[in-house]
Amino acid sequence: QKEVEQDPGPLSVPEGAIVSLNCTYSNSAFQYFMWYRQYSRKGPELLMYTYSSGNKEDGRFTAQVDKSSKYISLFIRDSQPSDSATYLCAMSASSGTYKYIFGTGTRLKVLA
Amino acid sequence: EADIYQTPRYLVIGTGKKITLECSQTMGHDKMYWYQQDPGMELHLIHYSYGVNSTEKGDLSSESTVSRIRTEHFPLTLESARPSHTSQYLCASSYAYNSPLHFGNGTRLTVT
Repeated sequence: QKEVEQDPGPLSVPEGAIVSLNCTYSNSAFQYFMWYRQYSRKGPELLMYTYSSGNKEDGRFTAQVDKSSKYISLFIRDSQPSDSATYLCAMSASSGTYKYIFGTGTRLKVLA
Repeated sequence: EADIYQTPRYLVIGTGKKITLECSQTMGHDKMYWYQQDPGMELHLIHYSYGVNSTEKGDLSSESTVSRIRTEHFPLTLESARPSHTSQYLCASSYAYNSPLHFGNGTRLTVT
């Protein structure tokens, strides 16, 4: 069983929709959570970085962490065609470790 | 704008050739990483470095080697390329463990 599970999609939504992207994980030691956006033929770009549980908002993006359920989410409000990309979740444990565990990514397409 | 640079972006090479993938960062980060990314798969760590002259193999078995002679430079070398090495190689850096990874745009390698 993978440590991090992420629905690969593809997910197609109309422009302006609210998008919900999710990852589940099994390792309760994970404390640092990241969301990356990756456009085709580009490297992953950091969108959100959170520590432990709670919510974090940045513009149209909101990251949520529910450690009790081992579940993290990324919400995109007022989605735009430019949001069409693959979204990767990543996480690492609390004790200074080089290990970052990534999800397989969810492909999102926002239709104009 | 990427502060971590990878060259070449694309490389097609024959079996048995020696190749070096270049990675440089201008952020002064001590920690640097090489990941392998294949379609629909999570990123796999090949090598990491926690400082000058300090490198370790990652979790993914690899026939490549790395060096870290300068903080900003972390090249990856394949002594004898094989078709099984065909993949996208991503270089990343971070200022500390658990802090967000910053990625380059990758080298897409095809071995024929």
